[in-house]
Amino acid sequence: DIQMTQSPSTLSASVGDRVTITCRASQSISSWLAWYQQKPGKAPKLLIYKASSLESGVPSKFSGSGSGTEFTLTISSLQPDDFATYYCQQYNSYPRTFGQGTKVEIK
Amino acid sequence: QVQLQESGPGLVKPSETLSLTCTVSGDSISTYFWSWIRQPPGKGLEWIGYIYYSGNTNYNPSLKSRVTISVDTSKNQFSLQLSSVTAADTAVYYCARDVGLPAHRWYFDLWGRGSLVTVSS
Repeated sequence: DIQMTQSPSTLSASVGDRVTITCRASQSISSWLAWYQQKPGKAPKLLIYKASSLESGVPSKFSGSGSGTEFTLTISSLQPDDFATYYCQQYNSYPRTFGQGTKVEIK
Repeated sequence: QVQLQESGPGLVKPSETLSLTCTVSGDSISTYFWSWIRQPPGKGLEWIGYIYYSGNTNYNPSLKSRVTISVDTSKNQFSLQLSSVTAADTAVYYCARDVGLPAHRWYFDLWGRGSLVTVSS
């Protein structure tokens, strides 16, 4: 299985901050990576696919980059609605695997 | 718009079989592949497996010996059965739609609200 490791596990930030979350794969996954946002008690919501493609309807303040084994999700100008847990997920091979999550908290 | 809704018992006894159904509305189940994903309380996400309307399946090896995913195209539903459950199977179970190109380069663009299943006597 491909292991996905996110850092940090928790991130404390203020409204207006620019934040970056890193996701590393245990082997190359090309650009086959998605990012999801999950709020408490809700299902995950797709933000980014193919490492850097923005899902329809998702604000452009979310951006993704990377390829191979290292990827980043950046949120420019953090807003109250953005405080949530973020997961990366590889779809290069089966079984599909997720990172352990990064919780973005209010500082 | 397309919606997914999980349904099934919220409480299952240890050693018994967990059964959930996902009803797809707003689109034909024959159009896409469909997955089950679970999330233990306070923990991360685990992909369980997928199914196509033809019955083609692929399961996570970690659960393969206990999992069966089936489809009922007449009802636009697909189902999950997980046998010999233990407390470790307590989780929110989500159904999701697989999308993307090329084939098998799929991510999950649409999710159900989730169904909490507790394994306890």
